[in-house]
Amino acid sequence: DTAVSQTPKYLVTQMGNDKSIKCEQNLGHDTMYWYKQDSKKFLKIMFSYNNKELIINETVPNRFSPKSPDKAHLNLHINSLELGDSAVYFCASSQGPPSGGVSTGELFFGEGSRLTVL
Amino acid sequence: AQKVTQAQTEISVVEKEDVTLDCVYETRDTTYYLFWYKQPPSGELVFLIRRNSFDEQNEISGRYSWNFQKSTSSFNFTITASQVVDSAVYFCALYTGGFKTIFGAGTRLFVKA
Repeated sequence: DTAVSQTPKYLVTQMGNDKSIKCEQNLGHDTMYWYKQDSKKFLKIMFSYNNKELIINETVPNRFSPKSPDKAHLNLHINSLELGDSAVYFCASSQGPPSGGVSTGELFFGEGSRLTVL
Repeated sequence: AQKVTQAQTEISVVEKEDVTLDCVYETRDTTYYLFWYKQPPSGELVFLIRRNSFDEQNEISGRYSWNFQKSTSSFNFTITASQVVDSAVYFCALYTGGFKTIFGAGTRLFVKA
């Protein structure tokens, strides 16, 4: 059973199109993330959701709209795709902090979704 | 400001050599966690180790060992007797709470047979 699964694994599309990537985790975690990995392998956080609420939006263009219908799912919709959006997008989850505490921050990653915009 | 620096962009070694990957971090928080992740050519991100800021004990797991030194804000990773299967990009990361993990730029390790 895959802990964090994202679909599709590969996505090739034309500039200007709209596309979505879906992510699901079965670890019972309450925090989910989207990370973008560019061609130089640099990993940058895009969004964090805790208990379905947006916690971090790391100056991502508003063409990117995450949605968390429940704690186990975090989807990413991208409008009007641009060439610079080509990257690998990783979904991840972690267990949030216990009451009054700090979580360990260990991330469990999906396999990544490689988006190519032509 | 929080930052993770992996100064080595690429390292190339011959099989059976030992190799150390450097990681230097910056944070003003007193409670934090440090991580190493491995990304093999297949692309997935694999968790290797977590260390909290209060535990400076070095750790060894098979051919892998980690040296955490708060005095120099470093968390270095050594692979002993490297193997071709160790070829990957290795990321050091820092978490101080706030639902945000900061990653270093990664070090690409090539192990040649």
